[in-house]
Amino acid sequence: GDSVTQMEGPVTLSEEAFLTINCTYTATGYPSLFWYVQYPGEGLQLLLKATKADDKGSNKGFEATYRKETTSFHLEKGSVQVSDSAVYFCALIPSGSRLTFGEGTQLTVNP
Amino acid sequence: EAGVVQSPRYKIIEKKQPVAFWCNPISGHNTLYWYLQNLGQGPELLIRYENEEAVDDSQLPKDRFSAERLKGVDSTLKIQPAELGDSAVYLCASSFGGDGVNTEAFFGQGTRLTVV
Repeated sequence: GDSVTQMEGPVTLSEEAFLTINCTYTATGYPSLFWYVQYPGEGLQLLLKATKADDKGSNKGFEATYRKETTSFHLEKGSVQVSDSAVYFCALIPSGSRLTFGEGTQLTVNP
Repeated sequence: EAGVVQSPRYKIIEKKQPVAFWCNPISGHNTLYWYLQNLGQGPELLIRYENEEAVDDSQLPKDRFSAERLKGVDSTLKIQPAELGDSAVYLCASSFGGDGVNTEAFFGQGTRLTVV
């Protein structure tokens, strides 16, 4: 079935470090791909999305490129801030089906 | 604009007791979702409504879980009787349209259920 695999956490970085959170997927057809973020005490928020191969989603300095050849959608940010500390979820929607999440990656950014 | 509102935020009950969660979606959103999130895991869909119709409830454990969305607005998720393994966060989300591709799903803060 359709699934999402994220790199295991937690991830701890110093402020201004480069961030990569790996995400790979298994799905039939051509799914749409998403990154959601959950800040402490808040609900899930859509961070960025890509709906077709080679699309790049971007928001708040975060980027992810839909790579069909490697079935990946890795999240990157060039310089993280303390305020980026949160749990990040990779997710997909296969054609006409439900939003499926990965297990989440806890990111902690230290000053 | 108000977001998705869920209540209560926290609930502690004894096993075998009933419990209900309430969700008020964003005004005008016709699609409503209930997700279950276990500790350290990603959310899993329980049920999806398009207006008042449940269009995807294949993951809902129907022996003890039930949901309704009367008038296609607010929704209630019920567990009766609750089991220890039901301890989790129950998330409600809403969107305009149902395919999720060109519409964003907005999530509430969730209800954290503890069954003792």
